[in-house]
Amino acid sequence: GAVVSQHPSRVICKSGTSVKIECRSLDFQATTMFWYRQFPKQSLMLMATSNEGSKATYEQGVEKDKFLINHASLTLSTLTVTSAHPEDSSFYICSAREGKQGLGYTFGSGTRLTVV
Amino acid sequence: SQQGEEDPQALSIQEGENATMNCSYKTSINNLQWYRQNSGRGLVHLILIRSNEREKHSGRLRVTLDTSKKSSSLLITASRAADTASYFCATVDSGYSTLTFGKGTMLLVSP
Repeated sequence: GAVVSQHPSRVICKSGTSVKIECRSLDFQATTMFWYRQFPKQSLMLMATSNEGSKATYEQGVEKDKFLINHASLTLSTLTVTSAHPEDSSFYICSAREGKQGLGYTFGSGTRLTVV
Repeated sequence: SQQGEEDPQALSIQEGENATMNCSYKTSINNLQWYRQNSGRGLVHLILIRSNEREKHSGRLRVTLDTSKKSSSLLITASRAADTASYFCATVDSGYSTLTFGKGTMLLVSP
């Protein structure tokens, strides 16, 4: 089946630094990728939707200059948390969709970000 | 944004019992999906039910969908300790644009 690889699984960074999270579709071309954020014991909140070769669409309240999303190819999307602060500490999960039909969503295993 | 509510928020049962979780949503959907998440891990897709379907089965899972009430239920029969996890429903809107999650139910199955 479809596999999405998300890396790194855990990262600790200092306040003020930037962190890049990668999301790769391994055996399919992902026309659309989604980035979610999840706080402890809460649900997944959609941050942004990215389509290959175009700018990401951010959800209301998500700072696009802070959470930079790049979807340069059909198999790779990256989320960069810039100038990280402790409140950015969270679990970030990506999801990839192969076609335009809303049927096949495959999730990465998530990245636990801790900003100290 | 989140679609709606799931209830219960937490459910504690004994092995062998059935677990029922409910999900409500607000907008028109193309399909509804249920996912499982073990603590601190990614999501595992369990089952998808389309808006024109009313019931679907997969192994010990049974999902129902009532589009008139904008609600769905997930039944896990003969539960096992390994079923302990959080369960989320997620809806795909009619325009296929995004997958929106409910708040989830934390299921604890005790041996």
